[in-house]
Amino acid sequence: AQSVTQLGSHVSVSEGALVLLRCNYSSSVPPYLFWYVQYPNQGLQLLLKYTSAATLVKGINGFEAEFKKSETSFHLTKPSAHMSDAAEYFCAVSDPSGGYQKVTFGTGTKLQVIP
Amino acid sequence: NAGVTQTPKFQVLKTGQSMTLQCAQDMNHEYMSWYRQDPGMGLRLIHYSVGAGITDQGEVPNGYNVSRSTTEDFPLRLLSAAPSQTSVYFCASSLSAGPRGEQYFGPGTRLTVT
Repeated sequence: AQSVTQLGSHVSVSEGALVLLRCNYSSSVPPYLFWYVQYPNQGLQLLLKYTSAATLVKGINGFEAEFKKSETSFHLTKPSAHMSDAAEYFCAVSDPSGGYQKVTFGTGTKLQVIP
Repeated sequence: NAGVTQTPKFQVLKTGQSMTLQCAQDMNHEYMSWYRQDPGMGLRLIHYSVGAGITDQGEVPNGYNVSRSTTEDFPLRLLSAAPSQTSVYFCASSLSAGPRGEQYFGPGTRLTVT
């Protein structure tokens, strides 16, 4: 069964500092991976996705993530944090062995940006 | 396009009452799903559907029923509400499962069961 682990339920960074949010997955074969962002009292929206085309994936708002098969990781980064990046971020995995029909979400990481 | 819409936005139920959470999408998406979001637990899949007339269980289906009679609508029914079902419920849709399967989420329904 697939699973997703997000290290750190809360991360604080200073404005302008590097953002690094960690995600590790467990899957029998390389899955499809997603990062979603949730702003307060809103639904989730897609930041970026990995579907085996390229290991470095660029998303919206300056975020990117690198798929590392050897480490089973898909960490999310942004070179310089903005105040508007404060939100909760979810990593998600869709397992091809399950026909991609079920998406498993991590428990989320709340990002705080300090002025 | 309205995207994914959910009604109601807020609901308070007493234990044992039943209700239906509505979800609709106008993007002609085949795949629809229901999640519940609880603090510290992320989103957990309740039920999903890969097309009209086809539904299946997710991770936490007990206490919930679904049906999909049209492509657009995917209602979630609580037959006999319990306090453990207090949560925020999100409906999502995608063009298909797979590489294009990024999901579009509704704004959520906040349910309290007393």
